[in-house]
Parts: sequence; C-alpha cells; structure tokens
Amino acid sequence: RKEVEQDPGPFNVPEGATVAFNCTYSNSASQSFFWYRQDCRKEPKLLMSVYSSGNEDGRFTAQLNRASQYISLLIRDSKLSDSATYLCVVNQGGKLIFGQGTELSVKP
Amino acid sequence: NAGVTQTPKFHILKIGQSMTLQCTQDMNHNYMYWYRQDPGMGLKLIYYSVGAGITDKGEVPNGYNVSRSTTEDFPLRLELAAPSQTSVYFCASSYGRANYGYTFGSGTRLTVV
Repeated sequence: RKEVEQDPGPFNVPEGATVAFNCTYSNSASQSFFWYRQDCRKEPKLLMSVYSSGNEDGRFTAQLNRASQYISLLIRDSKLSDSATYLCVVNQGGKLIFGQGTELSVKP
Repeated sequence: NAGVTQTPKFHILKIGQSMTLQCTQDMNHNYMYWYRQDPGMGLKLIYYSVGAGITDKGEVPNGYNVSRSTTEDFPLRLELAAPSQTSVYFCASSYGRANYGYTFGSGTRLTVV
C-alpha cells in the first residue's frame, strides 16, 4: 500500500465548477498535512496546510479526518489558472511524503 | 532573498560519468532534502539532512551520495550515472521538522544517455 494515495485523475472541468480531490495516508503517526500545487513539472509550491478543524483560503477548502486518515481539497468556482497538478503531502518525522498527484484541467 | 538555488537547471550526462548537483539556501534552514521526480510520478526522497555534518538515506538513495559541510549547502553526487537516473531533481529546505512545509528549488532536469 502506498503511504499517500490520491485520485489518479485527470479531472477535466469547466470554468466555474466545483471540484474535490481526495487523499488517504497509511501512517497514523503523521504529524502535519499539506496540499501543494505543481505546474508543468516546475517545483511544487505550498497551496495550504490542512488542519483537523478544516481551513479555508479563498476558493480553497481543506479538510483532515485523522480517524479515517483522509484528506480532502475542495476548489470552488474553478478558474483557468487553477489548471495544475495537486499533490497531497504528509509530514512523517520531518520528511514530507508526496502522493503521486492529481491533474486538474479547467476548460473555458 | 534567493531562497533555495539549484544548479545546473539542465544537464545531459553520459552513462558512467559522474556529476554533482548543487543546492544552496540562504534562509538558515537546518533541514535540507533531495527528491527526484519521474514522469507521472510523485516525488521520492533520496537523502536528507537535519543539520551540518548529519545526513541520512531516504527512500531511493542507491547511486547517490550527499554531504552537508555547511548549513547553506547540500550537494548531491551521482556516481557512475545510469539511464535510470534520468529525472527531475528537486532540492528543498525547511526550518525544523517541516511543520510549515518546504521551500523548493526550481529543479535540475538531468538526462543520462
């Protein structure tokens, strides 16, 4: 079983759509959680941290369920500029473990 | 503020040659990391360091070596390059145990032919 698993995608959605990404992790001792965004194999960039209470940053909402070892990312009102690969990331003892990423393509 | 700087950005290496990928950060981060990313795959940890003089293996260390003589620099050495080492290499750094995530360099695209 992979340590961090994501929906493989790709997700092709029209502008304005709401899209949700799911992720599960295997190590219950994982300490912190993130969503990163990666464009065209450039370096990953931190999108947001994920907290058990849930957190929102504009159109982006992240949720963590520690009991289920499940992380989600919701993007509302998708923009063309949201097209990218979204990486689910888990911190295990100071080392970040990356999922394989989910590709999102937002079409006009 | 330069952040994490990697050189070179691109390189073509012949099978059996050796080279060093450079990584330097100016944020006084104690933790540094090297990852590789193959097409369609996530990032895999090669080596990491929690401070000057301390290094440890990650998930895929074979064929690589590292050193950490200063807080700023964390070079990755490829010995006897093989086609399987064709990849994009990312260096990253963090303050402490990455509870605020990493800062990444822009990557080195390496092709071994």
